[in-house]
Amino acid sequence: ILNVEQSPQSLHVQEGDSTNFTCSFPSSNFYALHWYRWETAKSPEALFVMTLNGDEKKKGRISATLNTKEGYSYLYIKGSQPEDSATYLCNRIDKLIFGTGTRLQVFP
Amino acid sequence: KAGVTQTPRYLIKTRGQQVTLSCSPISGHRSVSWYQQTPGQGLQFLFEYFSETQRNKGNFPGRFSGRQFSNSRSEMNVSTLELGDSALYLCASSETTGPPYNEQFFGPGTRLTVL
Repeated sequence: ILNVEQSPQSLHVQEGDSTNFTCSFPSSNFYALHWYRWETAKSPEALFVMTLNGDEKKKGRISATLNTKEGYSYLYIKGSQPEDSATYLCNRIDKLIFGTGTRLQVFP
Repeated sequence: KAGVTQTPRYLIKTRGQQVTLSCSPISGHRSVSWYQQTPGQGLQFLFEYFSETQRNKGNFPGRFSGRQFSNSRSEMNVSTLELGDSALYLCASSETTGPPYNEQFFGPGTRLTVL
């Protein structure tokens, strides 16, 4: 993988559903991966900074895992709420590459 | 602390003109990065400044330039505007550059429209 790829591009879920999406990135010479949440009409906001293989970070109902050997990170949202609706971006910060994001919409 | 501020928030220019965008980082942050966001392209890295020095540069033509002042405020300039330069321009600040790659704090962006 030469770029940072995110899947799916968009996701529509019902309130209460749990969901997850993927960030795939070049695994060579890895240093750090950042996850951001970008709500409409707001600025991107950092969720997690991940550096170590096997890292697992959690913030409320949102958690993320990191596999640097195979070059992927998962973001999980448990019990999605309408306020979780946003675009979620991952960023291989040391390579200055952002993925195109996963747009999540949670319907009440 | 006040957040990252960007001015102006909206700008309309015509092809061939030039434009300057400004970014004031969070107090104490010395790294400022600039990104371009266009539909379908995601966030594309333009350049990063740290302590008045350009540390990294993305794959953009020379029409895109920037600078950073001693107070860490940064400006980005685009000369000879093209229609394709219409985009949201975001700046982000962080305490340092390089490892340990602290999180970035983004400004609200400048929406540039080129007619």
